[in-house]
Amino acid sequence: EVKLVESGGGLVQPGGSLRLSCATSGFTFTDYYMSWVRQPPGKALEWLGFIRNKANGYTTEYSASVKGRFTISRDNSQSILYLQMNTLRAEDSATYYCARDGGGNYAMDYWGQGTSVTVSS
Amino acid sequence: QIVLTQSPAIMSASLGEEITLTCSASSSVSYMHWYQQKSGTSPKLLIYSTSNLASGVPSRFSGSGSGTFYSLTISSVEAEDAADYYCHQWSSYRTFGGGTKLEIK
Repeated sequence: EVKLVESGGGLVQPGGSLRLSCATSGFTFTDYYMSWVRQPPGKALEWLGFIRNKANGYTTEYSASVKGRFTISRDNSQSILYLQMNTLRAEDSATYYCARDGGGNYAMDYWGQGTSVTVSS
Repeated sequence: QIVLTQSPAIMSASLGEEITLTCSASSSVSYMHWYQQKSGTSPKLLIYSTSNLASGVPSRFSGSGSGTFYSLTISSVEAEDAADYYCHQWSSYRTFGGGTKLEIK
């Protein structure tokens, strides 16, 4: 059974940093791209970025809204995905989801339950 | 960046009604995915690559389209279909539409 479990969310002050984790199981982690998606309360989904699979060198791509502030990485030995978030702003407050991403023309077929981040003083 | 515009923003449907949700892209895309998100839960893949049903999705759901116009149809709405629906493209990075909220009368 494919499982993705996010953790690390919480309350952080503006300008602060936070690292989210996504523990995965039930599939060969290195075969897949992995994406991060967020959703502010009552708003639409927003793709943040992905990290490619082993075959594609684990390279990353980011949306313009977070490029330079957020960094996606992966620990392939433990099948964990990370999202390092720096210089956080109030508008970064959202539920953050990790998702298994087929890459290329494929969909994000499995999602975690999400972890909530609130940026406030 | 390709912008996806979903219509309508809110749809109210009766049980058994056939409905169609649409997604318009600012530039041509090769395929479209659709996700269903029920209140308080994470998104669930509904349709991939425009017209393929994800595992376990009822056959009353179907997808079609090409170029800049795509649609999701529910042939006979059921109470459990109340949810937000999002289209998603990856032809140029990945973007989501703004969503359509489906309410059941």
